[in-house]
Amino acid sequence: GQQVMQIPQYQHVQEGEDFTTYCNSSTTLSNIQWYKQRPGGHPVFLIQLVKSGEVKKQKRLTFQFGEAKKNSSLHITATQTTDVGTYFCAGITGQGAQKLVFGQGTRLTINP
Amino acid sequence: NAGVTQTPKFQVLKTGQSMTLQCAQDMNHNSMYWYRQDPGMGLRLIYYSASEGTTDKGEVPNGYNVSRLNKREFSLRLESAAPSQTSVYFCASSIGTSGTETQYFGPGTRLTVT
Repeated sequence: GQQVMQIPQYQHVQEGEDFTTYCNSSTTLSNIQWYKQRPGGHPVFLIQLVKSGEVKKQKRLTFQFGEAKKNSSLHITATQTTDVGTYFCAGITGQGAQKLVFGQGTRLTINP
Repeated sequence: NAGVTQTPKFQVLKTGQSMTLQCAQDMNHNSMYWYRQDPGMGLRLIYYSASEGTTDKGEVPNGYNVSRLNKREFSLRLESAAPSQTSVYFCASSIGTSGTETQYFGPGTRLTVT
């Protein structure tokens, strides 16, 4: 079945450093969504990307969708302690029964 | 407007016991989902319901059953719990029926099977 691979699995940074997580799919995605889960919490929707090469920004967060619509990235500039959590990408192939397939997540920890 | 609610928050079961996890949403959403989350595995779909009266298997349905009681409620049943079902269970809902819309998650149920 469709797989969405996310790397790295863990990332530890000093506060103020940048952070990037990458999401790759074996098949073309019709769109991709990003979620954030705070420690002990539940996933919360951040953004959806639909178009090839799309770039969206939310304050210090930059989301990109690859030209081939098979990969995506989330970049956080100058991390803050409030960024701690696990970031998930979730993709949809657009073929057959459509369901979101979640990546394994990247757990971000920050040294203040 | 509570969003998606789940009960119970925590549960400990012995192997072979049964239980039902409850989920309700007050957003008038059509689709509802059950996921399990295990360390390093992300969120894996157990079952989903695209509309009232319909349910479909997800990636990991074995050992589980579901009921879409009405538009608001979607329950997950473990008939004979096994230690491999120790996990955090999340219910989610989305507005449409395509399964591709933004999903809104409940707070989760932490289940331990001994």
